[in-house]
Amino acid sequence: SSELTQDPAVSVALGQTVRITCQGDIVRTHYASWYQQKPGQAPVVVIYNRNNRPSGIPARFSGSTSGDTASLTITGAQAEDEADYYCNSRETTIDHWVFGGGTKLTVL
Amino acid sequence: QVQLVQSGAEMRKPGASVKVSCKASGFVFTNFWVHWVRQAPGQGLEWMGIINPSGSYTSYSLKFQGRVTLTRDTSASTVYMEVNSLTSEDTAVYYCARDNSVTTMTGLTWWLDPWGQGTVVTVSS
Repeated sequence: SSELTQDPAVSVALGQTVRITCQGDIVRTHYASWYQQKPGQAPVVVIYNRNNRPSGIPARFSGSTSGDTASLTITGAQAEDEADYYCNSRETTIDHWVFGGGTKLTVL
Repeated sequence: QVQLVQSGAEMRKPGASVKVSCKASGFVFTNFWVHWVRQAPGQGLEWMGIINPSGSYTSYSLKFQGRVTLTRDTSASTVYMEVNSLTSEDTAVYYCARDNSVTTMTGLTWWLDPWGQGTVVTVSS
């Protein structure tokens, strides 16, 4: 099965911009979606269809894809953005989905 | 509102089975596929499988193939996930999540929303 690779941990200063990446061949074919998970809570989608935000997700969250790498960018990170972030995409030819290993974001 | 509500925490002994339910409300249940995802303590999210709207089709991660069964009761707007032959490594939070898709210029794209609140399954002797 395919893999999606994420950096285990990233930090950003309050108010600065941070990019979280997700690398894997399957994102060449299907856009990744991104999920935020805070301790003790279920994941919440923050980006889907490359760069769409569900209602209620702040505009500081954006997504992009280049080649085999999907990216989640937070422009002007806030303290409440500290969380684990996971990417997800579908396998190319079968009905299987894959999660990245997750990135723990620390806002300093 | 659109939501998925899961059954409560479960404790099982090794070798037993567990069945978790996921009840949908606020949307047309028979229009959507449903995923199951699990998260072991301190670990990341792991995709387990998906079931289609009628319950006639399922697809499982190779890791869970043969040990996990997904079913759905459309009259009760509920999806079920059963895991057999439990071991301590199955101790985890299990989530259901609605599948969403849209056709783009490059094809279909999918995302999981909403998620259930999670069900803790503890396997211990």
